[in-house]
Amino acid sequence: AQSVAQPEDQVNVAEGNPLTVKCTYSVSGNPYLFWYVQYPNRGLQFLLKYITGDNLVKGSYGFEAEFNKSQTSFHLKKPSALVSDSALYFCAVTWTPGGYNKLIFGAGTRLAVHP
Amino acid sequence: KAGVTQTPRYLIKTRGQQVTLSCSPISGHRSVSWYQQTPGQGLQFLFEYFSETQRNKGNFPGRFSGRQFSNSRSEMNVSTLELGDSALYLCASSLGGDGNTGELFFGEGSRLTVL
Repeated sequence: AQSVAQPEDQVNVAEGNPLTVKCTYSVSGNPYLFWYVQYPNRGLQFLLKYITGDNLVKGSYGFEAEFNKSQTSFHLKKPSALVSDSALYFCAVTWTPGGYNKLIFGAGTRLAVHP
Repeated sequence: KAGVTQTPRYLIKTRGQQVTLSCSPISGHRSVSWYQQTPGQGLQFLFEYFSETQRNKGNFPGRFSGRQFSNSRSEMNVSTLELGDSALYLCASSLGGDGNTGELFFGEGSRLTVL
């Protein structure tokens, strides 16, 4: 079965420090991987995606993620955290062939950036 | 360009009633997906419609149904409401064609409370 794991419920980091939010996945077929962010009482906003090609993907707001096929991981990173990055982050996967827009989401990781 | 619009934003129903939620996708988007978000189960895929046809379906009972109209607007219906149906229901749209990569644009959701 297709699945996504985000092993940390919460990540705490000081402003200006680098951050990492972890994600591992399991799919049959070729994975398409995504990171979304959710602010309180709002829908999800797309951050970045990996479809194919370069394993390091750059996205919105200075975030990037590295696809590691052997470790089936897709960790989200940012070199210098901002207080405004505090939010709920979701990793998601779909697959080809056949997954289309059936995204399987992880449980989410709450990122808290402290001044 | 207008985003994904969901109506109503908030609603309260009682057990046994039914509810219909509406979603207007971004202009030009032909795929509409629905997700349920709860604190306990997280984000779960309900179904996806593309060009008025259901393309994928999640593991929800038959009380949950949907449809898509020729203008790509979509509705989902939940009949015989149960307390556990209380959730944030998120609609997402995408281009959805052959080049579809699962990048979704989410609305802000319809928050359903079942009493």
